[in-house]
Amino acid sequence: NAGVMQNPRHLVRRRGQEARLRCSPMKGHSHVYWYRQLPEEGLKFMVYLQKENIIDESGMPKERFSAEFPKEGPSILRIQQVVRGDSAAYFCASSPFGTGGASDYGYTFGSGTRLTVV
Amino acid sequence: QQQVKQSPQSLIVQKGGISIINCAYENTAFDYFPWYQQFPGKGPALLIAIRPDVSEKKEGRFTISFNKSAKQFSLHIMDSQPGDSATYFCAASRMGQGAQKLVFGQGTRLTINP
Repeated sequence: NAGVMQNPRHLVRRRGQEARLRCSPMKGHSHVYWYRQLPEEGLKFMVYLQKENIIDESGMPKERFSAEFPKEGPSILRIQQVVRGDSAAYFCASSPFGTGGASDYGYTFGSGTRLTVV
Repeated sequence: QQQVKQSPQSLIVQKGGISIINCAYENTAFDYFPWYQQFPGKGPALLIAIRPDVSEKKEGRFTISFNKSAKQFSLHIMDSQPGDSATYFCAASRMGQGAQKLVFGQGTRLTINP
């Protein structure tokens, strides 16, 4: 039973390019969360998605960032026109649960994508 | 209101000693408090969690102590081992909230000296 799969593991982009990060949730999980971890900081919530729906994007920057979780395929976090400040580790988590609160069971993180903007 | 403050930033403990990491929160609506362990190059992994209806939870060498009135909780690692060297994050969330979003502390880098 594979865990949450994120790819690529490392991504280098020049300023102004687009970064596309992919997340495949665990089998049976239909809820996906994206978090960003800046160096020496904790994780910060970005967005919560279910299949084909954005449920909560309160942590997403207003510009250049977007996320989707299509009916088929992985969830995608897209960053357009990247800047140096976007350099961070981006983690995806998945859960079989939606409303009802976080749980000890099923909220699982992937190993992250480390984005470096040069 | 949404912050979780964690201390210390880094901690060095001798093998066999007790490691103690503290967190404080502001939002009294939080009712789920997990601790995550993160090794370099990996994602956070759930270590232990507590809800506010109990003051302590123990799993093996790991114990959470919870003080609801002070809005504080702490992680104790007994008989600390070199394999425990990692970054530890406390977090908080709110049951019933539409998104199970976790609010994380800043992290504590723990080093266990052999």
